[in-house]
Amino acid sequence: DAKTTQPTSMDCAEGRAANLPCNHSTISGNEYVYWYRQIHSQGPQYIIHGLKNNETNEMASLIITEDRKSSTLILPHATLRDTAVYYCIVFHGQNFVFGPGTRLSVLP
Amino acid sequence: EADIYQTPRYLVIGTGKKITLECSQTMGHDKMYWYQQDPGMELHLIHYSYGVNSTEKGDLSSESTVSRIRTEHFPLTLESARPSHTSQYLCASSDLFDRSGGETQYFGPGTRLLVL
Repeated sequence: DAKTTQPTSMDCAEGRAANLPCNHSTISGNEYVYWYRQIHSQGPQYIIHGLKNNETNEMASLIITEDRKSSTLILPHATLRDTAVYYCIVFHGQNFVFGPGTRLSVLP
Repeated sequence: EADIYQTPRYLVIGTGKKITLECSQTMGHDKMYWYQQDPGMELHLIHYSYGVNSTEKGDLSSESTVSRIRTEHFPLTLESARPSHTSQYLCASSDLFDRSGGETQYFGPGTRLLVL
């Protein structure tokens, strides 16, 4: 079973920030938080990952709470091409377990 | 961008045929994976490999088999295709010694299989 909980779906206006939450209350100290997205059933695309600190790259920012029980993926300026299913995964040393994810719809 | 390739991208085949789905990566990654995904549903891991001559079964039972004779190549075979095998098959790879920590997986574009 997936060790994360995400909302089933979210909408975001084009040009605004999209904030996607993820709960992982049972995360252990050495487990990473990973985010992927899948557009139109293509292969999942890696976005970002982190352990304890907040992370930023050219695609997104990852904010992890101090107790590590939840995180937020931030797409700073959502475009229509960001419409996809977003998966939050916790991982250490085993294999990824994909849950149903959040279906993000970016609206014009 | 990840250098991982899958062929064919689409395959329509009759019941009882033997099929092999190809997956190759040029990143020198040790670990490779096969996932199965039905339309609108979650990805499920069906096979993985830690390296040459290593194959393991994933969380979802599958009638398919895999082999890993070369680091870059991880083909999946169905000896006798059935309509229940209709699905999308996604291949991925990761570096066991990922310097960023964790084990980032990079996915291929997938193969959509339809068995009539």
